[in-house]
Amino acid sequence: DIQMTQSPSSLSASVGDRVTITCRASQYINNWLAWYQQKPEKAPKSLIYAASSLQSGVPSRFSGSGSGTNFTLTISSLQPEDFATYYCQQYHNYPRTFGQGTKVEIK
Amino acid sequence: EVQVVESGGDLVQPGGSLRLSCAASGFTFTTYWMTWVRQAPGKGLEWVANIKEDGSEKNYVDSVKGRFTISRDNAKNSLYLQMSSLRAEDTAVYYCARGASDSDYWGQGTPVTVSS
Repeated sequence: DIQMTQSPSSLSASVGDRVTITCRASQYINNWLAWYQQKPEKAPKSLIYAASSLQSGVPSRFSGSGSGTNFTLTISSLQPEDFATYYCQQYHNYPRTFGQGTKVEIK
Repeated sequence: EVQVVESGGDLVQPGGSLRLSCAASGFTFTTYWMTWVRQAPGKGLEWVANIKEDGSEKNYVDSVKGRFTISRDNAKNSLYLQMSSLRAEDTAVYYCARGASDSDYWGQGTPVTVSS
């Protein structure tokens, strides 16, 4: 199975900060990577697919980059509604696998 | 509006069985793969299984192979997860999601608790 490792596991940031989360795959996955946002007691929400394509309706302050084994999710200017946990997921191979999550908290 | 709504979660004893359902609406169900993902209490997301548009291909995570069966009824726009030989480690919220790869729409989840 492909292991997905996110860093950091948690971070504290202020409104307006630029935030970057990284995701590393244990083997090559091309650009078959998605990012999700999950708020407490809510279902995950899709943000990005194919490593850098924004889902419809997702604010442009979110962006994704990377290919191969190293990927990043960037929030250019953190907003109050962005405090949540973020997950990456590979879909290059079965079983699909998720990173362990990165919790973004208010500083 | 795209909607997927799960149901069927319950408290079940170890070794027991349960069937989860997911009702889809707002899109052409027959043209999408569908997926089940679960989340144990306080833990991250775990992909469980997915199924092709016509049901001809199914994939599972190793930990549920031989115990869980994913299926669909395209006439009813519904997805199912039949779970048997349930274990305490199957305790989780189970989400239904659209798509084979990245999942763009998710339901609100249905909770399954395996405990005596």
